[in-house]
Amino acid sequence: DMKVTQMPRYLIKRMGENVLLECGQDMSHETMYWYRQDPGLGLQLIYISYDVDSNSEGDIPKGYRVSRKKREHFSLILDSAKTNQTSVYFCASSFGGGSDYTFGSGTRLLVI
Amino acid sequence: AQRVTQVQPTGSSQWGEEVTLDCSYETSEYFYRIFWYRQLFSGEMVFLIYQPSFDTQNQRSGRYSVVFQKSFKSISLVISASQPEDSGTYFCALSAPTGGNNKLTFGQGTVLSVIP
Repeated sequence: DMKVTQMPRYLIKRMGENVLLECGQDMSHETMYWYRQDPGLGLQLIYISYDVDSNSEGDIPKGYRVSRKKREHFSLILDSAKTNQTSVYFCASSFGGGSDYTFGSGTRLLVI
Repeated sequence: AQRVTQVQPTGSSQWGEEVTLDCSYETSEYFYRIFWYRQLFSGEMVFLIYQPSFDTQNQRSGRYSVVFQKSFKSISLVISASQPEDSGTYFCALSAPTGGNNKLTFGQGTVLSVIP
């Protein structure tokens, strides 16, 4: 079953704590993405990864960093989380030319 | 710059009616794709249909079809015979690869309610 798996599904962190969101895919897709979704804003791209150790900033990268050491795994890191990073985070993957995107189920992060 | 706009924050229909959801976009790229997704109440994003810019024929998939007006940079999703299970948030998204970047740019979404 081809899918993108996100862990954890729900997360509560205190302001200033570090946050690690994990994403895995079993389709050998080259490209992976991290988006965040806020009410009324749709999904906004945080980072894109073209392959292992080949990452680029998206539209809203400030406050985030990523790591991709294996093709099937892409992590989003929040160093010293802020309350305005409370959001739903989606990971996605696509094969090359990007006509086939697969999304994970999302991680709901609450920073208090 | 790429931008996608969905001006209808909400919509509703009666069971069995045809529903049209609108989307407009901006891009300077010649080749691009427009995608439609439905987000379930669980948060899961479900792919519905996509329209490539080079195809003048409106795409169709089951009960979903699009009305693609390329010269107006406009695309509508048409759902025929709507059902209560079609309720959810619908997103229009643009993929216009620039320098190899295949990111999706999303609209704000339209929340659809299909009334039994």
